[in-house]
Amino acid sequence: AQTVTQSQPEMSVQEAETVTLSCTYDTSESDYYLFWYKQPPSRQMILVIRQEAYKQQNATENRFSVNFQKAAKSFSLKISDSQLGDAAMYFCAYRGYGNKLVFGAGTILRVKS
Amino acid sequence: DVKVTQSSRYLVKRTGEKVFLECVQDMDHENMFWYRQDPGLGLRLIYFSYDVKMKEKGDIPEGYSVSREKKERFSLILESASTNQTSMYLCASSLYKAGSNHQPQHFGDGTRLSIL
Repeated sequence: AQTVTQSQPEMSVQEAETVTLSCTYDTSESDYYLFWYKQPPSRQMILVIRQEAYKQQNATENRFSVNFQKAAKSFSLKISDSQLGDAAMYFCAYRGYGNKLVFGAGTILRVKS
Repeated sequence: DVKVTQSSRYLVKRTGEKVFLECVQDMDHENMFWYRQDPGLGLRLIYFSYDVKMKEKGDIPEGYSVSREKKERFSLILESASTNQTSMYLCASSLYKAGSNHQPQHFGDGTRLSIL
């Protein structure tokens, strides 16, 4: 079975600085997708960024980018120029064959002004 | 924008009660999912459905059942609520496209359920 591990329960970053959230996963599948979801306090979970495993190029969405290392099964999220609105719980998720998502335990990101 | 609506944000029930959590999506998505979210455990899949009247067990189906009589509605049922089912419950939906599994899931706001 696939597993997703987020080893950082909490992270802090100063406003305008850069922070990296870690995620590793375990799978024997060759074709899969990886996602980062953001869950602000008391608000809806939304998709931040996704990466197809067959693509070598790292995905980027504005201030959010990933460092995808397929051989190491690592999928970290980098947030540049952090803003107060980035404070949230971030979940790394894996989807292989089928539609089931496997989530990590989450990382709480705090942004200091 | 996709809208996934869960009927209650907060719900308090008693042990042994039969509890219904409702979820409706407005984008004609084939796939619907129920998760529970607990601190330190992330989201765990309870049940999912690929189509009307179809359901499949997720990772933690014990103590739960589901119903999908209409495409837009997916209900989670706690047959006899117990205190260990106190949790945040999240509903999600996604589009089905043949040969493509990168369609993102869209989530509702969640229902925080307390069983006393």
